[in-house]
Amino acid sequence: AQKVTQAQTEISVVEKEDVTLDCVYETRDTTYYLFWYKQPPSGELVFLIRRNSFDEQNEISGRYSWNFQKSTSSFNFTITASQVVDSAVYFCALSEHGGATNKLIFGTGTLLAVQP
Amino acid sequence: EPEVTQTPSHQVTQMGQEVILRCVPISNHLYFYWYRQILGQKVEFLVSFYNNEISEKSEIFDDQFSVERPDGSNFTLKIRSTKLEDSAMYFCASSTGGSGGGETQYFGPGTRLLVL
Repeated sequence: AQKVTQAQTEISVVEKEDVTLDCVYETRDTTYYLFWYKQPPSGELVFLIRRNSFDEQNEISGRYSWNFQKSTSSFNFTITASQVVDSAVYFCALSEHGGATNKLIFGTGTLLAVQP
Repeated sequence: EPEVTQTPSHQVTQMGQEVILRCVPISNHLYFYWYRQILGQKVEFLVSFYNNEISEKSEIFDDQFSVERPDGSNFTLKIRSTKLEDSAMYFCASSTGGSGGGETQYFGPGTRLLVL
């Protein structure tokens, strides 16, 4: 069965610190897709990144970077030099290839609080 | 930039009443989804919709729920007889593809439903 685990319920950092949000997934498929979404206090879900299971290259986008390791079934997200505006709940999600539709299975989220 | 819109942003209703939540997906998208998020919990898949029919639904999506695409732009979720436990944020999402593709789903801002 597919499952996404975000073991960190809450993380609090001080502005400019680096922070890593962990995501571990379970799937029986060899082809699958991983996502990160941000949910700011206003409540909407903002897409951050999509990764397919064949692409293990790390990705960097500005202060954000993602580390995908199939060997440990992890897709971790690092924010460098955090800012107050990064305060949000971050969700990792998984969808499998070849299902009826690519429904997303979400983790429970990590609440990141960046203090000034 | 195209976006998914949802109305209303908030809805308060009495238990047993019917509610209709409305969504306008991104115009060239073909797959549509509803998810819900009970306060403080993870986002859960409800249903996916393609080619004017349900592609997949979760255990949550029982006979009290229905979806419809009444015209070329709107996508609605109806709850026939609301229960207290239906209180949640309901998100609509859309994507260009669905089956087997793992395409990114873009979410609307959500409708917060409160059942009294």
